Amino acid sequence: EADIYQTPRYLVIGTGKKITLECSQTMGHDKMYWYQQDPGMELHLIHYSYGVNSTEKGDLSSESTVSRIRTEHFPLTLESARPSHTSQYLCASSTGTGAYGYTFGSGTRLTVV
Amino acid sequence: DAKTTQPTSMDCAEGRAANLPCNHSTISGNEYVYWYRQIHSQGPQYIIHGLKNNETNEMASLIITEDRKSSTLILPHATLRDTAVYYCIVTGTASKLTFGTGTRLQVTL
Repeated sequence: EADIYQTPRYLVIGTGKKITLECSQTMGHDKMYWYQQDPGMELHLIHYSYGVNSTEKGDLSSESTVSRIRTEHFPLTLESARPSHTSQYLCASSTGTGAYGYTFGSGTRLTVV
Repeated sequence: DAKTTQPTSMDCAEGRAANLPCNHSTISGNEYVYWYRQIHSQGPQYIIHGLKNNETNEMASLIITEDRKSSTLILPHATLRDTAVYYCIVTGTASKLTFGTGTRLQVTL
């Protein structure tokens, strides 16, 4: 059973549109993450949060923004989508007690046309 | 986090043991070795981790050399469903996991 949920699973959207990718977890984890992955390529950390009202940029620069108003919710927003944003976005949360405690969502596959 | 080196790809016949190596010669004393895998384009899944002793769980075994500079993940009886990218990660923290390129394991009939 999934304890971390991402919606939508697939999204095709036109250039210039504002989009929000949703991520929610029911495990009470303080730490949450967004990774970006192009097909067949590495996962890159783009945002992370260690708790409510805490957000940081990851190792890969991204034009997206995130917010963390509630522990269980960590949405990612693109104000103006571009074709270069086409990718898969994976959300994760962790217990923080060890690197074994990561749980990933199923991902959102975004296509900007 | 210590740098890790893994082969780009490996093949394994179904039913045989899959042995996936990882070199981490710069590992420091407080760093653990973790293994995750990613099946197709799903989110990565935790497999196993260890510090210096060999570890076994229902999914796999982890063999760490005595000097801790390398390790091997063993899937004892590989099935087609084990086809995935396997990531070896060495870290002493629980935060900001970095995945690298991993080993693409192809299990064949």
